[in-house]
Amino acid sequence: SAVISQKPSRDICQRGTSLTIQCQVDSQVTMMFWYRQQPGQSLTLIATANQGSEATYESGFVIDKFPISRPNLTFSTLTVSNMSPEDSSIYLCSAGTTFPGELFFGEGSRLTVL
Amino acid sequence: AQTVTQSQPEMSVQEAETVTLSCTYDTSESDYYLFWYKQPPSRQMILVIRQEAYKQQNATENRFSVNFQKAAKSFSLKISDSQLGDAAMYFCAYRDATSGTYKYIFGTGTRLKVLA
Repeated sequence: SAVISQKPSRDICQRGTSLTIQCQVDSQVTMMFWYRQQPGQSLTLIATANQGSEATYESGFVIDKFPISRPNLTFSTLTVSNMSPEDSSIYLCSAGTTFPGELFFGEGSRLTVL
Repeated sequence: AQTVTQSQPEMSVQEAETVTLSCTYDTSESDYYLFWYKQPPSRQMILVIRQEAYKQQNATENRFSVNFQKAAKSFSLKISDSQLGDAAMYFCAYRDATSGTYKYIFGTGTRLKVLA
């Protein structure tokens, strides 16, 4: 199993600012993903964090807005840049191994943009 | 593209009773994983149960079991002896086993209410 620590757990931000969310896994994992989730809704994949290389973004998400780093197997950051109220959401870090395939989740970071 | 469908936005069950949550999926792959995740109001997602497509036997974890029908592409979750702590959002998820992308596809979720 893997324990994922994510911080900050919540923050209130001003429009136009940027915020970086950190994700630390307590064991080596092969996969790390960043999701966005509106309360009571399903998960939307933002990107796959690739170790030592550029993240792979899903349609509708771009690197300039959501830069992601993954310098090693157990750590990743997601930055939400130039925030607007539409970016208010819960951002989830997840990680796992190719096999047995279980995906573990952090507690999430609830961002409110004013 | 693979899809996961949960047709029940909300379900209710009496404490100690049994409830079944439905999930269907679509894929052209033969080898894949299916999961049920639980997200309580505190919001951290936790794995409830996992099924490998090549295994005929339905997975079971204590009070949680699945009915995996590969031909019908159905993967329902049965919760027996429901407890108040089972109240949560439940998400069905799919992942290819061998394609190399390893992206997880989540359904829209079913909110389960447990009535005392």
